[in-house]
Amino acid sequence: AQKITQTQPGMFVQEKEAVTLDCTYDTSDPSYGLFWYKQPSSGEMIFLIYQGSYDQQNATEGRYSLNFQKARKSANLVISASQLGDSAMYFCAMRDVLFNKFYFGSGTKLNVKP
Amino acid sequence: DAGVTQSPTHLIKTRGQQVTLRCSPKSGHDTVSWYQQALGQGPQFIFQYYEEEERQRGNFPDRFSGHQFPNYSSELNVNALLLGDSALYLCASSPPAGGKLFFGSGTQLSVL
Repeated sequence: AQKITQTQPGMFVQEKEAVTLDCTYDTSDPSYGLFWYKQPSSGEMIFLIYQGSYDQQNATEGRYSLNFQKARKSANLVISASQLGDSAMYFCAMRDVLFNKFYFGSGTKLNVKP
Repeated sequence: DAGVTQSPTHLIKTRGQQVTLRCSPKSGHDTVSWYQQALGQGPQFIFQYYEEEERQRGNFPDRFSGHQFPNYSSELNVNALLLGDSALYLCASSPPAGGKLFFGSGTQLSVL
């Protein structure tokens, strides 16, 4: 069964510093997708970054990068140069390619301090 | 180009009542999924609609049902509401080729 684990309920980071949010996953499927979403207090889930299971390079999107270690089944999100607006919940998710279902972790609440 | 829209934004019901939540997908998207997000947890998959049929279902009782219309919009119905149904209900749409989900802002349901 597919499972996503986020072991950091909360994280603090100083403004302008980098932070890593951890995510591990479990699946027996050879093909899957890994996603990170940001959820501000407004509730909407905002897509940040995507990594395919067959992608050789780590994904990057602006200040976001995904540290994909397939053998360890980890997909950590790195946010560089943190901003106050980055304070939010962050969810790691895995897409079951066959059924197009998404499985989400329990999230990490990031607080950026000025 | 409007994104995913959901209505209402907030809803208060009492136990035993029935509720209908509505969702309009992003333009060009034909697949709609519904997720339940309890306080402090990640979203849980309820079901997915494509071509007006329920294609996939998560571990939710039959009290949860849905519908998709020819214009791809969707409804989520919950019968015989329980206190534990209180949650944020998120609708997400995706394009025909699959890929990432685009979410609405959700409907916050409170069951008293």
